[in-house]
Amino acid sequence: QLQLQESGPGLVKPSETLSVTCTVSGGSISSSSSYYWGWIRQPPGKGLEWIGTIYYSGSTYYNPSLTSRLTISVDTSKNQFSLRLSSVTAADTAVYYCARRGVTRYFDYWGQGTLVTVSS
Amino acid sequence: EIVLTQSPGTLSLSPGERATLSCRASQSVSSTYLAWYQQKPGQAPRLVIYSASNRATGIPDRFSGSGSGTDFTLTISRLEPEDFAVYYCQQFGTSPPMYTFGQGTKLEIK
Repeated sequence: QLQLQESGPGLVKPSETLSVTCTVSGGSISSSSSYYWGWIRQPPGKGLEWIGTIYYSGSTYYNPSLTSRLTISVDTSKNQFSLRLSSVTAADTAVYYCARRGVTRYFDYWGQGTLVTVSS
Repeated sequence: EIVLTQSPGTLSLSPGERATLSCRASQSVSSTYLAWYQQKPGQAPRLVIYSASNRATGIPDRFSGSGSGTDFTLTISRLEPEDFAVYYCQQFGTSPPMYTFGQGTKLEIK
């Protein structure tokens, strides 16, 4: 059974960089050409926002509203992919989810999410 | 960017009743790229329907999806207590390539 697990700092100061890593178990991140890996976030009490998606080769595409601050990377040797968001503000406070993106552009496996709070 | 608008915002029904949730897109969406998710408090979203009408693994057959173009519907034929949750629709668009979610419909017990 495929499992995804996010790990993050919990608390980040304004203007600093937020980093979250997703560890995939129960399957290889590079085992199938059909799957991409994505990040989605959810501010407390609000809806879902797609952040970006990466292929195991390193190919990425990002939400245009976050592109200037965002880097998503993959480490196939560790079966992980990561998110870095720079110059954070309180508006970046959210639960950050990692997920697997299936063939027809749906997200079928999700991590449990990690809450990242931006505050001084 | 395609905007998805879900209605109603909140739907109050009783177990055993039929639920009809709507997702309307600001421009035409490929049915192949339209999905629905269920989210319960404190949990990650769970895929319910993909490609507009295909049930995800483990989803009971009381859930069904339909629609095309700009109008899509998630129907739950006979509500069970575990179905009360927030439901989101999601689409993938190619210009620019990005995913968007609707704002959600909260299905609550009446």
